[in-house]
Amino acid sequence: AQRVTQPEKLLSVFKGAPVELKCNYSYSGSPELFWYVQYSRQRLQLLLRHISRESIKGFTADLNKGETSFHLKKPFAQEEDSAMYYCALLVSGGSNYKLTFGKGTLLTVNP
Amino acid sequence: KAGVTQTPRYLIKTRGQQVTLSCSPISGHRSVSWYQQTPGQGLQFLFEYFSETQRNKGNFPGRFSGRQFSNSRSEMNVSTLELGDSALYLCASSLSRGEAFFGQGTRLTVV
Repeated sequence: AQRVTQPEKLLSVFKGAPVELKCNYSYSGSPELFWYVQYSRQRLQLLLRHISRESIKGFTADLNKGETSFHLKKPFAQEEDSAMYYCALLVSGGSNYKLTFGKGTLLTVNP
Repeated sequence: KAGVTQTPRYLIKTRGQQVTLSCSPISGHRSVSWYQQTPGQGLQFLFEYFSETQRNKGNFPGRFSGRQFSNSRSEMNVSTLELGDSALYLCASSLSRGEAFFGQGTRLTVV
């Protein structure tokens, strides 16, 4: 069965420090992975997807199929990065698909 | 472009009652998904509709049902409410695979 695991519920770093939010997945098909973010009092929104291989707000994530991981990284954390981060796996079967989310990691960036 | 709109924002219901939640997707988005968000379980997929047809369903009891109208608006219904149904219910619409635009949610409290 498909599963997304985010091992850290809470992660606290200081401003300017590197940050890595871990995500591991279990899926028998070809994985498509995403990171979603929810800032305080805002809607859940897409941060980035592995297919586009882009950097958004300084964050990057590389899909490692060997380790079945999709960790989110940023070299220098900022206070405005404090938010809840969710890793998500697109589970598909033909035209049907759904997003399976991890339980999330609350990132706090301290001044 | 208006975002995904969910109504009502807050609801308090008594055990045994039923409730209907509404979601208006972004104009042009034909796919609408529903999620239940709780502190313990995180985001759990309920179902997805596309062009008035349920394409995918999560592992929830039959008390949870939904439908989609020809204008893509969607409703979710929960019958015979239980205390454990208290949660934030999120609706998301999408145009492309994996990129979901979320509403602000309906906070349901069952007493």
